[in-house]
Amino acid sequence: GQNIDQPTEMTATEGAIVQINCTYQTSGFNGLFWYQQHAGEAPTFLSYNVLDGLEEKGRFSSFLSRSKGYSYLLLKELQMKDSASYLCAVLGDSGYSTLTFGKGTMLLVSP
Amino acid sequence: EPEVTQTPSHQVTQMGQEVILRCVPISNHLYFYWYRQILGQKVEFLVSFYNNEISEKSEIFDDQFSVERPDGSNFTLKIRSTKLEDSAMYFCASRPGLAGGYEQYFGPGTRLTVT
Repeated sequence: GQNIDQPTEMTATEGAIVQINCTYQTSGFNGLFWYQQHAGEAPTFLSYNVLDGLEEKGRFSSFLSRSKGYSYLLLKELQMKDSASYLCAVLGDSGYSTLTFGKGTMLLVSP
Repeated sequence: EPEVTQTPSHQVTQMGQEVILRCVPISNHLYFYWYRQILGQKVEFLVSFYNNEISEKSEIFDDQFSVERPDGSNFTLKIRSTKLEDSAMYFCASRPGLAGGYEQYFGPGTRLTVT
């Protein structure tokens, strides 16, 4: 089975740094995605980790530890527009790349 | 930049009616997906499609659902007899072949409301 856990909500202030954690237990694993989703819109790609370690992309970084079944998304220099839901998704190993999503973490950035 | 498109953006239908949701994936992509998101809940996988056939489907994707790629550009999801619990946002996604990476590109979604 698939189980992906992430906090329901987080709050932070503009300019700050926030870390959103994700833990997973899945029957197959071929990498982990982070997506951003604004209310009423489609998920948009942020990052993909398949190997252990940190991937940095501008203000966003993502970390993966496969042995611990753990990932985090780090957002620096927060802006108001970063208020959104952040979805952790595990890529299955079937070859057809099915994504299993967590429930998402709603991040509210305040002035 | 190429993008996945979906029509309609919002569909209202009565319980028991058939609906067809349409998607145009990115033109050189080979793998196609449908996901749904009930309001306030997580995004759930429905079905994947590759080489003109279903490659995987979830428990949600029962006999009421079907997918088609009728003309090499469109990718459709049909719900034969809609139920109230089918009300959700339906997202289409596509991705390139293996050499193009695993990132799935999502369309803007169709909000289906069943009354």
